[in-house]
Amino acid sequence: QKEVEQNSGPLSVPEGAIASLNCTYSDRGSQSFFWYRQYSGKSPELIMFIYSNGDKEDGRFTAQLNKASQYVSLLIRDSQPSDSATYLCAVNGGKLIFGQGTELSVKP
Amino acid sequence: GAVVSQHPSRVICKSGTSVKIECRSLDFQATTMFWYRQFPKQSLMLMATSNEGSKATYEQGVEKDKFLINHASLTLSTLTVTSAHPEDSSFYICSARDRPDTQYFGPGTRLTVL
Repeated sequence: QKEVEQNSGPLSVPEGAIASLNCTYSDRGSQSFFWYRQYSGKSPELIMFIYSNGDKEDGRFTAQLNKASQYVSLLIRDSQPSDSATYLCAVNGGKLIFGQGTELSVKP
Repeated sequence: GAVVSQHPSRVICKSGTSVKIECRSLDFQATTMFWYRQFPKQSLMLMATSNEGSKATYEQGVEKDKFLINHASLTLSTLTVTSAHPEDSSFYICSARDRPDTQYFGPGTRLTVL
């Protein structure tokens, strides 16, 4: 079983819709969780991090964490074509462990 | 956010030569830096963890004699790919940690070995 799992996608949403990206992890002792965005040919860019159960909002982005279910998600409201990228979930287990990424496509 | 630079951004070399890639944290001190490799359509693969003033810790399957890492200061780590071969062609990305667990990535170096 992979330590951090994401649907590879592609996930396609229309412009203006909410994009929902999901991630599960296997290590119950994980304490911090990260979402990175990676455009094709570029390096990852940190979007958000979350440590506590519940929601954390930053602009159009909301990270949600449920440690009991070992689940972390990222919601993107009012999706824009510029949000089209691969989104990487990462879990800190001593070192960052990345999921394989979900490709998001926002259609105009 | 914290800024990490990498140089060069792109390098093309002949098989058998060595290539050095620099990673710098520009506005913070990083006691720990990380080196990743990414092949097309694949996720990041951690190669090694670099700690200032000590030997790097390599992930299983990564040849430490081929991928030499030096972390001589709190703002600079270097990765040298020795005797590069075409199969070493990849996107190499460094990251630096400014808080206990938050990593910021450099822009990456695309290596092509002919």
